[in-house]
Amino acid sequence: SQTIHQWPATLVQPVGSPLSLECTVEGTSNPNLYWYRQAAGRGLQLLFYSVGIGQISSEVPQNLSASRPQDRQFILSSKKLLLSDSGFYLCAWSSSSGGYTFGSGTRLTVV
Amino acid sequence: RKEVEQDPGPFNVPEGATVAFNCTYSNSASQSFFWYRQDCRKEPKLLMSVYSSGNEDGRFTAQLNRASQYISLLIRDSKLSDSATYLCVVNIRNTPLVFGKGTRLSVIA
Repeated sequence: SQTIHQWPATLVQPVGSPLSLECTVEGTSNPNLYWYRQAAGRGLQLLFYSVGIGQISSEVPQNLSASRPQDRQFILSSKKLLLSDSGFYLCAWSSSSGGYTFGSGTRLTVV
Repeated sequence: RKEVEQDPGPFNVPEGATVAFNCTYSNSASQSFFWYRQDCRKEPKLLMSVYSSGNEDGRFTAQLNRASQYISLLIRDSKLSDSATYLCVVNIRNTPLVFGKGTRLSVIA
């Protein structure tokens, strides 16, 4: 069966520090992968998605970037975090049915 | 106009009540529809897909009205464990899913 792993679960980082969040998927090949962010009390905002290795589409211009170095690995990064980057970061992959399966998320607090 | 709109709630209902949520979408080219459930501080999980003919899963019934561009979710015999935020989701072919902001449900004993 397919599983999706996301870590860390929580993170507290100072303003200006770098960020790296990793997501891996098991049990499937060539999945579509997504990074979403959910700010406190708000909806899910699509940040990036990828349909294959090295293929990244950016939905929101900001100080975040994403990379897909391997088929089942999706990484979200930032060189310098802002206070506004705080939120709940969710990785997801899509199945043939069209629905998404989410990882358990990373709750990031920038202080 | 927002792509997917939902009443944020909260809907506070007693146990055993029937509650319905509606969701409207703006893009008539939307092809796939889903309801997700999100518990507090957890990831969203797929509750059910929504089919043109309507579909039922136990106490949950989902319906789609393409002409009016809205989706509904009906929960019968509400349980305390149904308390969560329900997200309406639409998809246009080959593009990422678009999530509504969710409707919060609180079932009270």
